[in-house]
This record gives sequence, structure tokens and C-alpha cells, in this order.
Amino acid sequence: DTAVSQTPKYLVTQMGNDKSIKCEQNLGHDTMYWYKQDSKKFLKIMFSYNNKELIINETVPNRFSPKSPDKAHLNLHINSLELGDSAVYFCASSLGRTRSGNTIYFGEGSWLTVV
Amino acid sequence: GDSVTQMEGPVTLSEEAFLTINCTYTATGYPSLFWYVQYPGEGLQLLLKATKADDKGSNKGFEATYRKETTSFHLEKGSVQVSDSAVYFCALSDPGRDDKIIFGKGTRLHILP
Repeated sequence: DTAVSQTPKYLVTQMGNDKSIKCEQNLGHDTMYWYKQDSKKFLKIMFSYNNKELIINETVPNRFSPKSPDKAHLNLHINSLELGDSAVYFCASSLGRTRSGNTIYFGEGSWLTVV
Repeated sequence: GDSVTQMEGPVTLSEEAFLTINCTYTATGYPSLFWYVQYPGEGLQLLLKATKADDKGSNKGFEATYRKETTSFHLEKGSVQVSDSAVYFCALSDPGRDDKIIFGKGTRLHILP
């Protein structure tokens, strides 16, 4: 039983394309996140949703658009992909807000390569 | 702003050696502190956490104590195994801020048989 699952795990695509990464959690959590991990393993939050409401939107280009159809899903759509978008994207979730010390649970990552 | 600083890697040890990975933080409030581990090709998993000063988190032989006076949360293990080879991330969440968990840059650990 995968707690936080994201698809696809690997994605190779050309510059300029539009792609989506899907994420689903079956933990009953109400808060979901997208993180980006660069080639040096540095992790940075991109978005956070609580009960389908956008809570955090870091300085991410407008080409990145999250969509949360319900509490269990948070998808990431990327328009006009650029070489610099190549990274590992992690979906995550938590029960309640992490500012209360709640644990965040990560998916296994989606390796995006833009060529 | 809030930040987490952890020792640069890679750290290479022999099996059964003692491990310490240093982590210090700055925060405006009283944060919760975490250690996450990332095995090759996988996502991050919570290793342990502590939510208030002097708390000790422990799991799988790893320990870390929340030291408010030194703003530290060093990770230790008495006897490492080859299977502990991974990247370790120190992190904090600050109740005075929104839902940003701040991660350190990660420390890669190699254990030699």
C-alpha cells in the first residue's frame, strides 16, 4: 500500500513541451506539497495546499501550475518546459499544518529530464 | 530567516564505526526538528523527530537530541552498517511561520564493508 504515490516516476521530454505529474495520497491527510530537488540534492518547497486551498506558492515561474481536485490529489502541470526544469519532483502530504510539528510524508519522486 | 546548516559530505566510514552528522539551526520561534533519510532512488523518509527542547528522537539505532542552548540537533549512531548508506537531511518547521519545512543541504553517507 503506497501512502503517497506519484506518476510518472521517470519522464524525458523535449524543451517547450507541456507535461503533468500526478500525485495521490491515501493517508487521509489534508495538506499536500510539491518539492523540487536539484542535482545537488537541495530540496525546496514549491507549493502547499491545505484542504484544496493554496497555502504556499514560492517564487515559482507561472509555467508551473498545481491543481488539487480534492484533498487526496495534488497534480503539477508544467508548461513550456525548459532545460533548467530538469530535477526530481517530490509530492508530499501531512495531517495538519507542518508548522505544528506534524510529520510530512514523501512520495518516491518523479525524475524529470528536459532535453 | 529560518535556516538549517549541516555538515558537508560525503562522509565515509567503515562498518561499525561511530557516526555523527552535525546540524545547527536558526529560527524565530520554537521549531520542531527532523532528520529525514533518502536511500538511492527513493523519496525521503522520516528517520526521527523532536518537538521541544531536550527531547531525544530515536529510530533504527539513530538518535538526536534537541539542544536549544546550542541550537543543534546532531544525528548519532553507535555502530553504522552498510545499509545506512544514504543521504541524510536535517530539517525544521517553525510554528511562527507558514508550512515551510526548511531542509538542510543533505549529507551523503558512505559506509564501507
